Amino acid sequence: SYELTQPPSVSVSPGQTARITCSADALPNQYAYWYQQRPGQAPVLIIYKDIARPSGIPERFSGSSSGTTVTLTIRGVQAEDEADYYCQSVDITGIYVVFGGGTKLTVL
Amino acid sequence: QVTLRESGPALVKPTQTLTLTCTFSGFSLTSTGMCVTWIRQPPGKALEWLARIDWDDDRFYSTSLKTRLTISKDTSKNQVVLRMTNMAPVDTATYFCARYRVIRGADSYFYMDVWGKGTTVTVSS
Repeated sequence: SYELTQPPSVSVSPGQTARITCSADALPNQYAYWYQQRPGQAPVLIIYKDIARPSGIPERFSGSSSGTTVTLTIRGVQAEDEADYYCQSVDITGIYVVFGGGTKLTVL
Repeated sequence: QVTLRESGPALVKPTQTLTLTCTFSGFSLTSTGMCVTWIRQPPGKALEWLARIDWDDDRFYSTSLKTRLTISKDTSKNQVVLRMTNMAPVDTATYFCARYRVIRGADSYFYMDVWGKGTTVTVSS
């Protein structure tokens, strides 16, 4: 089965830059999407098509792609950014949605 | 404003069938590119995609759960229903529905841009 691999956790101090990676063999052929999920809340789309940001999402959130890895970068991390972050893509058919295992971002 | 809201039983017994309803507003499931999808999240675990139904009535299911899932829509009521048979304790989770938009063209892509708050389902005797 198709899998997306994320680090379980990332920790940064306020004001620093957090980078969360997501890896999978099919990523060069399919777009990646990122969701932020705060405790007890539903996920929120923060990046789509690898690098696009929906309206209302702060500019400090950005996405990038290189080969089989996509990266979510959060510049100037704030306490409110502490959450779980999930990458998501689709398999080679373009139909079946796959989520990564999630990365817990801790703001020290 | 686009909203989605999940509803259904909070507790089901093992072997029973779960029926969840997603009631949405602010968009039409008859418009090209509009879909509704279901995702679940067991306590403390990752998101898992379950199923999707499209504006043209195409339906797609998780390969691992395909035999247990049925998704349907009632466009007159703006509702999507998910049924999952033979429930077991491992199916205990928060179940979310979300709008899924398909953008077709030279560069096709999609996104799940609006989610419901989720409904928690516990499977226990």
